[in-house]
Amino acid sequence: EIVLTQSPATLSLSPGERATLSCRASQSISSYLAWYQQKPGQAPRLLIYDTSNRATGIPARFSGSGSGTDFTLTISSLEPEDFAVYYCQQRSNWPPLTFGGGTKVEIK
Amino acid sequence: EVQLVESGGGLVQPGGSLRLSCSAPRFTVSTNYMSWVRQAPGEGLEWVSIIYSGGSTYYADSVKGRFTISRDNSKNTVYLQMNSLRAEDTAVYYCARTNWNALRGAFDIWGQGTMVTVSS
Repeated sequence: EIVLTQSPATLSLSPGERATLSCRASQSISSYLAWYQQKPGQAPRLLIYDTSNRATGIPARFSGSGSGTDFTLTISSLEPEDFAVYYCQQRSNWPPLTFGGGTKVEIK
Repeated sequence: EVQLVESGGGLVQPGGSLRLSCSAPRFTVSTNYMSWVRQAPGEGLEWVSIIYSGGSTYYADSVKGRFTISRDNSKNTVYLQMNSLRAEDTAVYYCARTNWNALRGAFDIWGQGTMVTVSS
């Protein structure tokens, strides 16, 4: 099973700041990585698929990068609605499909 | 707009059974890969099961032998039959479309979730 490790667990930032979230895989997953945003009481929302492609309707301030085992989600300038929990997910080597443990982006 | 609607959650005793349903008003489930993903209270996301458009099914080890995913094409609905339920199965269960090819296995459409509580 591929384990995805997200860091940091919590990121405390102010609106307008840049957020950099990390996702590390226990083995190479090529580019089969997606990122999701989840707000309290809501279902997750797809942000990025295939490492760097924004899903429909996702603002350009969200970007993804990486390959192999190390991946990054960057939010270039945090908006108030971006404070949430973010998860990465892989489908390279499965079953199981796996998610990372999440990074909470909170207001500083 | 609502694209997936789950139902069937509730309170069940340990060892009991429950069947979750997921209907898709705006697309055809039989031509898509459909998954169930759960989230225990205060915890992260855990993939549970998937059904391919061709009908093949796969499960997480934690539910294998106890849960069964299926679909009814005439009702455009996916199901998750959950038997021998345990306290650790307590979670919000989400139905999600798994866009296998175009989006490289990402979950692009999610339901609102249905809560399953296993407790005596």
